[in-house]
Amino acid sequence: DADVTQTPRNRITKTGKRIMLECSQTKGHDRMYWYRQDPGLGLRLIYYSFDVKDINKGEISDGYSVSRQAQAKFSLSLESAIPNQTALYFCATAQGTSGELFFGEGSRLTVL
Amino acid sequence: GENVEQHPSTLSVQEGDSAVIKCTYSDSASNYFPWYKQELGKGPQLIIDIRSNVGEKKDQRIAVTLNKTAKHFSLHITETQPEDSAVYFCAPSKFSGGYNKLIFGAGTRLAVHP
Repeated sequence: DADVTQTPRNRITKTGKRIMLECSQTKGHDRMYWYRQDPGLGLRLIYYSFDVKDINKGEISDGYSVSRQAQAKFSLSLESAIPNQTALYFCATAQGTSGELFFGEGSRLTVL
Repeated sequence: GENVEQHPSTLSVQEGDSAVIKCTYSDSASNYFPWYKQELGKGPQLIIDIRSNVGEKKDQRIAVTLNKTAKHFSLHITETQPEDSAVYFCAPSKFSGGYNKLIFGAGTRLAVHP
């Protein structure tokens, strides 16, 4: 089983709909992240969390919100999806300040 | 903010040849320099990293070299194999506010032809 699990893996939705992407981890790591990947742009940080009481905005947080329900769960929400939020979304975990990120396999979101 | 550039954006080599990918960055406070490999349909995975007190690190067929004065670091893959075909990302970073802030480059697509 994957250490970092993302659901759903693929989702097609319509403009204006609310969407939630979920991430769970079995690594016991304290830090969790949401990244967005677009062709030619690498990965850009949306939100990150040090623990359940700590949530921080990343480079591109507008239009997104997150919830850290437990140390092992970190969900990303799009309150009202728009077409330019069509992208591949990755959840990642890290332990302390080790530097290494462990990524899930991604959630491909298409907003029509 | 940090500006990160990777070159080349695509690289095509014959099996057995070497491949070199270069990453330049702007923030002189960066002190951690990882390379990630992303295979098709998967998330990125760390393959090698180096810290600012080291100039070179090697792990079997891959190596990373760092030039802090010039603010660039490079990934070297020797004796390339078809399974090295993937997208490679550099992500120079520094610790800020207790958080290791990685800024990813745009990626280099490496194709190794048999």
